[in-house]
This record gives sequence, C-alpha cells and structure tokens, in this order.
Amino acid sequence: QVQLVQSGAEVKKPGASVKVSCKASGYTFTSYYMHWVRQAPGQGLEWMGIINPSGGSTSYAQKFQGRVTMTRDTSTSTVYMELSSLRSEDTAVYYCARETITIFGVVMYNWFDPWGQGTLVTVSS
Amino acid sequence: DIQMTQSPSSLSASVGDRVTITCRASQSISSYLNWYQQKPGKAPKLLIYAASSLQSGVPSRFSGSGSGTDFTLTISSLQPEDFATYYCQQSYSTPEITFGPGTKVDIK
Repeated sequence: QVQLVQSGAEVKKPGASVKVSCKASGYTFTSYYMHWVRQAPGQGLEWMGIINPSGGSTSYAQKFQGRVTMTRDTSTSTVYMELSSLRSEDTAVYYCARETITIFGVVMYNWFDPWGQGTLVTVSS
Repeated sequence: DIQMTQSPSSLSASVGDRVTITCRASQSISSYLNWYQQKPGKAPKLLIYAASSLQSGVPSRFSGSGSGTDFTLTISSLQPEDFATYYCQQSYSTPEITFGPGTKVDIK
C-alpha cells in the first residue's frame, strides 16, 4: 500500500538546522509531487513547499524562502526537508504529503493523500 | 494570496446529529476545494476532493458541496469516531496551497 514514513522526533537549539526525511513506498516515487506542511502546537496547517521528485525542482512558501531546502534521493525514494536558523516559533509537527492529481474532463484537480505520520521538531534552548 | 475562513471554529454536537461546516475563500476557487479530518496526534486524512467527490473508503455520511467562494461539509449523522477537527484546503493557486483555520467538532 502507499505509505510515507518520516524520521523521528528532533530537539534543536535556536539557530540550528533540522533535516526531516520522508520515505515513500508502494508507488512510483518520481510520478507524484511531494509537499511539506507543518502544524504548530494547537494550531492549524501551514503549507511550506513542494518538490518534484522526478527532476528535483522546488517551490517554497514565501514565509520560508531562504530558510528551507527540499531535496530528494531517487535511489531510496526519500524526500528531505531542511529548515535552518531555527527559532522557538518553528516548534511544530512537520508532515510530508503526496499530491494526487485527477483530471475531470479538461480540469485538473489535486489534493494530498496520503500523509506521513508527522515529525515533531522542538526548538528550545 | 487566497485566504480561507471556516465557521464555526468549534461546535458541540451529539451522536446522530446533522453537522454542517462552512468554508469560504477570499476569491473564487471554482471547485478546487478539499476537506480533511484530523484526530489528535494523527495526520490529516482526506475526506472530500474537488468540492464534492468522496474519497474512497470514506463513509457516505460525509458530503461536500459548493463552488466559487462558498463551500460546505456535511456529516448527515454524526458518529462517535467523527469527533475531530476538520480543515478545508484550496488548491486553486497550486502550488501555493492554503488551509482554513479548522473546525473542532466535540461531544455535547
């Protein structure tokens, strides 16, 4: 079955970087874009960016431009999200989510399914 | 940026109740609207895509409607496992996805 398995929880100090992995299985890795979404404690969902596992191209939310880097390793079907210059406000659960696309007539719709289980990143001195 | 709002932000309901959650976009997004359910400590789960299409495996008591700027998620008869937080998401401005702030459904 289609599955996304993320790396374990991290504790980082302010100013440090964190790299979270998301290993895909059960489908052709290079055929689906992958997104990263985060959720601060008790808060809603915030989109961070997207990576095309086929060519490696990326697009990031303006809020994270300059601090986030998304990469992939096609040999292991894994995508990575690295966030630098961490601050306390970056404490959150980080999710990867596969984008699924369907065409209805001439219209293309997309949504996220499935999601990884989430990785808690805690930033604390 | 397309802003999404949801109402109410929370509601209390009983098992068997009909529940309706509203999502509004700051500009027309046609039918590029998805709904997710999230339970505490878990990842979001897709319920409805393209405003009204039921994801495979999701119970038929869930339904979605709307287009343009106004959308609705309806649970026809609330079940104990439906107590959760529900998020709408617009994909009109892909890849710049935005989510609504969520609606928490809890037990009355």
